[in-house]
Amino acid sequence: NAGVTQTPKFRILKIGQSMTLQCTQDMNHNYMYWYRQDPGMGLKLIYYSVGAGITDKGEVPNGYNVSRSTTEDFPLRLELAAPSQTSVYFCASSNLGARETQYFGPGTRLLVL
Amino acid sequence: GDSVTQMEGPVTLSEEACLTINCTYTATGYPSLFWYVQYPGEGLQLLLKATKADDKGSNKGFEATYRKETTSFHLEKGSVQVSDSAVYFCALNSGGYQKVTFGTGTKLQVIP
Repeated sequence: NAGVTQTPKFRILKIGQSMTLQCTQDMNHNYMYWYRQDPGMGLKLIYYSVGAGITDKGEVPNGYNVSRSTTEDFPLRLELAAPSQTSVYFCASSNLGARETQYFGPGTRLLVL
Repeated sequence: GDSVTQMEGPVTLSEEACLTINCTYTATGYPSLFWYVQYPGEGLQLLLKATKADDKGSNKGFEATYRKETTSFHLEKGSVQVSDSAVYFCALNSGGYQKVTFGTGTKLQVIP
């Protein structure tokens, strides 16, 4: 049972480059989330999805885009990377929304130089 | 808006010591409250939760009671182990499927 998987584990980007962070869950959860975790801070919600084809912005969406073409996959796209996007990114999923348990992936550490 | 305040870390304890990590919150209505734990190099995982006032969540020897009168959800354990070393996050959801508000995390280090 893989749960939530994320790739890559670590990436270094140059300013202005683009990349996609991959997230896949095998629990058939409708709800999926992307968070970023900065040192000494709690997690901040970037985007979320309540089902295939439906996405919406969270607290800190600027500089990011998402898509949800299948129940399993929820990729996060960074366009024109900036140093402020240096962070650890976590994908999570939930069966019944944020009021219930969220299951997190292992994270992607991104460094923008 | 919603907010979660938890005690600053790091907290360093000797093995078998008692643990309390304080958490207080501000939210509308009757939020669900959570403690998540993050072991080194891993994602967060749910430790325990409580969905209504006076509920006690418990798991792996950890406990937390939902205190609406003091808006608190303190995490406690009677005897910590080295394997409990991790970062602990208090969190809440005040309704709706999209938003969990997290505290800043408290790092616990347990030394033999």
